[in-house]
Amino acid sequence: QQQVKQSPQSLIVQKGGISIINCAYENTAFDYFPWYQQFPGKGPALLIAIRPDVSEKKEGRFTISFNKSAKQFSLHIMDSQPGDSATYFCAASMNGSQGNLIFGKGTKLSVKP
Amino acid sequence: NAGVMQNPRHLVRRRGQEARLRCSPMKGHSHVYWYRQLPEEGLKFMVYLQKENIIDESGMPKERFSAEFPKEGPSILRIQQVVRGDSAAYFCASSSGGNQPQHFGDGTRLSIL
Repeated sequence: QQQVKQSPQSLIVQKGGISIINCAYENTAFDYFPWYQQFPGKGPALLIAIRPDVSEKKEGRFTISFNKSAKQFSLHIMDSQPGDSATYFCAASMNGSQGNLIFGKGTKLSVKP
Repeated sequence: NAGVMQNPRHLVRRRGQEARLRCSPMKGHSHVYWYRQLPEEGLKFMVYLQKENIIDESGMPKERFSAEFPKEGPSILRIQQVVRGDSAAYFCASSSGGNQPQHFGDGTRLSIL
């Protein structure tokens, strides 16, 4: 039973473009939604996170949009750069960030120069 | 300012042997989480520990797997009598609790011959 569904599986974007990755969840008890970036051979690194009391959070070129009624959230990467090429995972948890994280299957992003 | 340290980075075992994976959390962190990642998959939660206590082991296989986080020293994930299906990357994350985010190590890649 997959509780967090992530799409697309892979994404190719031109340098300077906008990368958009979507996630949908089923459990309305989730109250913490982080995004992680993972490079090959490395562990996931926390990019940005949101709680359901806000609809949008922006940090630099990264923005999370959150739609509580649709049970969906998305990551937007503005002005995408080749260095952003990595695998991105959305996740969700209950009990805030203390709870165990339920991860999506990941999106492999390639930004072409 | 060391992050989460995992060792070994790579571990090769033959079927039937034991595997021991170690995780030293970030300084000041007393909460440790173990996750398993299969190729092309997201991370799957295994176990959540605080010092000397298992808080949530709902993701641990019922047999052959165990985890501990002693008062002194690193957290240990132990896999007895390994089988080919145990081949995966095992990641440890730590947090300081109190609704603080989880930070990941670079993982241990376990290969079973």
